[in-house]
Amino acid sequence: ETGVTQTPRHLVMGMTNKKSLKCEQHLGHNAMYWYKQSAKKPLELMFVYSLEERVENNSVPSRFSPECPNSSHLFLHLHTLQPEDSALYLCASSQEPSGNYNEQFFGPGTRLTVL
Amino acid sequence: DAKTTQPPSMDCAEGRAANLPCNHSTISGNEYVYWYRQIHSQGPQYIIHGLKNNETNEMASLIITEDRKSSTLILPHATLRDTAVYYCIAAGGTSYGKLTFGQGTILTVHP
Repeated sequence: ETGVTQTPRHLVMGMTNKKSLKCEQHLGHNAMYWYKQSAKKPLELMFVYSLEERVENNSVPSRFSPECPNSSHLFLHLHTLQPEDSALYLCASSQEPSGNYNEQFFGPGTRLTVL
Repeated sequence: DAKTTQPPSMDCAEGRAANLPCNHSTISGNEYVYWYRQIHSQGPQYIIHGLKNNETNEMASLIITEDRKSSTLILPHATLRDTAVYYCIAAGGTSYGKLTFGQGTILTVHP
């Protein structure tokens, strides 16, 4: 058990739907991350939050909207997605981006299918 | 982050040591070498990291060459549950919080 939970574990949505992915970490960390893993592709970093402030946005389309209300929770709001957005979405947390030591703890992921 | 190069796949017999190589010839002085693994359909799991000294923990050993241009992850007694994709990542310095995952090495442990 990694101490990072994600809900839902599986999600099927239409292109006109609005849904949200939730991540919660129980490790006392103050940095949280969203990654996307498409089939047969490496993990891609989407967003980084440190102390509830967004510090990195890797050119992610605006149909993905992150929210970090506190250091334990991270959301990814989804709207008007495309079929190519179908992927495994992974959340991770770490003590903080220190620049020198970065052990990230990952959740189990949400498998998203966009029809 | 420095680019890393790993073989796409490796096989290992159960109970034997698995030695996974990684090249990171452009690694900078303040970048660490991290190893993560991802078992099918799960989130990645941290294994070990090091700067220039060899490191060992309950999961694995990390051997880094003196010039830091390559490293080897050693699973001393591989089990079937070690079958996974193993990622070698060079990160740190100004790359705050950023781990750049490549394709990794698919390790298959056979009975």
